[in-house]
Amino acid sequence: DTAVSQTPKYLVTQMGNDKSIKCEQNLGHDTMYWYKQDSKKFLKIMFSYNNKELIINETVPNRFSPKSPDKAHLNLHINSLELGDSAVYFCASSPRGGDYGYTFGSGTRLTVV
Amino acid sequence: AQSVTQPDIHITVSEGASLELRCNYSYGATPYLFWYVQSPGQGLQLLLKYFSGDTLVQGIKGFEAEFKRSQSSFNLRKPSVHWSDAAEYFCGGAGNKLTFGGGTRVLVKP
Repeated sequence: DTAVSQTPKYLVTQMGNDKSIKCEQNLGHDTMYWYKQDSKKFLKIMFSYNNKELIINETVPNRFSPKSPDKAHLNLHINSLELGDSAVYFCASSPRGGDYGYTFGSGTRLTVV
Repeated sequence: AQSVTQPDIHITVSEGASLELRCNYSYGATPYLFWYVQSPGQGLQLLLKYFSGDTLVQGIKGFEAEFKRSQSSFNLRKPSVHWSDAAEYFCGGAGNKLTFGGGTRVLVKP
């Protein structure tokens, strides 16, 4: 009964490849997010969707494209992967605008070689 | 700009000793404030949150935090640390989005 689930948990790929990370939440939340955690553990928001509509788009390279087919799913597609994309990517969800805290998935560790 | 700062990068504490982790925020109005814990290789787990009302907030795992408007702080405390409390702790503030401090790594000595 995982609340926010991400797949895959680990992803190792070569530079230049295109990859996707999937996220699903079964909490009935309206808003979903992608966060990036770098090697120094800094957590930075990338995107936020509310009911399938993009509401936050931080200064993220346009090689990153989120897609939300419905409010329970938020996928992240990354084109032309670079070494600097190596990080842990966390999906999260929250009711309404996040006033009540976010529930995080367990993360996807992406390694670009 | 809205921001959250955790001044301590890492803290070492003996098992059974008390723990206090510092968090300062900079927002135009009082934001919603959170503390999360991340165990090695895991996601983030919500420890507690503050929206309004009582400035001393109780959370899970025996943690509490105190909101002090005059100091723009929201420090996390635990009276007696267990070895399983070794983890990375993140303070977060939410205006229109949840922004985290840089994290504090807690090491627990036996």
